[in-house]
This record gives sequence, structure tokens and C-alpha cells, in this order.
Amino acid sequence: LAKTTQPISMDSYEGQEVNITCSHNNIATNDYITWYQQFPSQGPRFIIQGYKTKVTNEVASLFIPADRKSSTLSLPRVSLSDTAVYYCLVAPAKYSGAGSYQLTFGKGTKLSVIP
Amino acid sequence: GAVVSQHPSWVICKSGTSVKIECRSLDFQATTMFWYRQFPKQSLMLMATSNEGSKATYEQGVEKDKFLINHASLTLSTLTVTSAHPEDSSFYICSAHSLGQGSNTEAFFGQGTRLTVV
Repeated sequence: LAKTTQPISMDSYEGQEVNITCSHNNIATNDYITWYQQFPSQGPRFIIQGYKTKVTNEVASLFIPADRKSSTLSLPRVSLSDTAVYYCLVAPAKYSGAGSYQLTFGKGTKLSVIP
Repeated sequence: GAVVSQHPSWVICKSGTSVKIECRSLDFQATTMFWYRQFPKQSLMLMATSNEGSKATYEQGVEKDKFLINHASLTLSTLTVTSAHPEDSSFYICSAHSLGQGSNTEAFFGQGTRLTVV
């Protein structure tokens, strides 16, 4: 399973754009990149998933360079409610059997949004 | 999107007793569910993979006789912490996977269970 590396923490003021970069040098050809958000005492929540180039949804954008060895989660105009831990994970896209789709969580990035 | 419900949200139990945590996939069938444990200020650590109709697969260092997993149906997996001790106090989270758009697998997590053993 590809290991990921993220900054331990980041601070941002409200209204700013936040970019969190994740390194995954050993990503496999069939791996997708997925980002999760976790608030204290809650389970992780899916934010966005991508394979290459750029993906955008209503809450975030995900930028993936051609070599796919890193990815950047972009949160536009953060608010206080975006204060959370953000995890970057890589795993095969398609679940093909027991034990073949384990999600390995790294340490995540603790984002603190300041008023 | 798909919903995974975990119950209870929190539980306090006496040392030596057993506690059962339920994980349900509400609107999809999950042949496999995963159980994680998270200590304060740490990341999620996979404990075991729960397989419907067969034995669970435990990660190295996780005692299968202490953390009993039962996956009796396609929508329910249970984790029982037997003979709980204070060091078992933690945040337990389950997840289940369903097919998302384009046949990609998406993982959905329960809201977690805060276990405190006194």
C-alpha cells in the first residue's frame, strides 16, 4: 500500500484558499487518491477522489500532476467550520475481494482556521 | 450518498465487562466492513477486516479473542470488546464500501463509538 506524507498542521485565516499537499511516491498504476475530513469524535467524511489531472466538486478541488507522485487538496475560502484533520489516502479504485481494499491512514494534516 | 450507522455513539463500562458496538450499512449491502481504532491525537489504525459469512481478518497485534467480530448479514457487523480494560478506552470507527460512480469503490465511515472503561 502506498505510503503518504502530509504536513502535520496548517493555519489559515477565514476566507483564504488553503492548499494541502500530499506526497505518495510509490503510488501504483491502479491506485486512486482520496481525501477525507475528520472532525473530533466523528468518523472520516469523504471529500474528493481523483486519478489524474484535476477534479472539482462543490466543496474542493484536487490537483494531480502527470507523475501522480503527489496531489494537492484545495479548499476555497475556508471558514471556521473547516477546522479539522484532513487525510490523503491512496488505494485501488475497485474493490475486488476481502483484504484487497484496506485503507491505510497516515497522520493527516490538522487544519486550523483562524477568525 | 451511502450511510453507515454506528451504535452506540459513546459508552462507559466497568473494567472486566464486555461491550458490543454495531455497524450498519443503511442503504447498501457490504460484504466487507472494516474496524478501526483511534487514540487521542492519533490517526486511525486498522484493527480488522470483517467478512460476511466468514471469519474476520485481524491486523498484527490485535487480539482476536479480545475483539470479537461478527458479520452475520450484508448490512451488519458487530465488534465486541471482551473483558474490557482501561487501556481499551479509545474511539472505534467502522467503515463499509460500496460501488460509487464509474464502478469505483467508495468507503463510508460510521460516526464512531467513544469507549471509556473505568
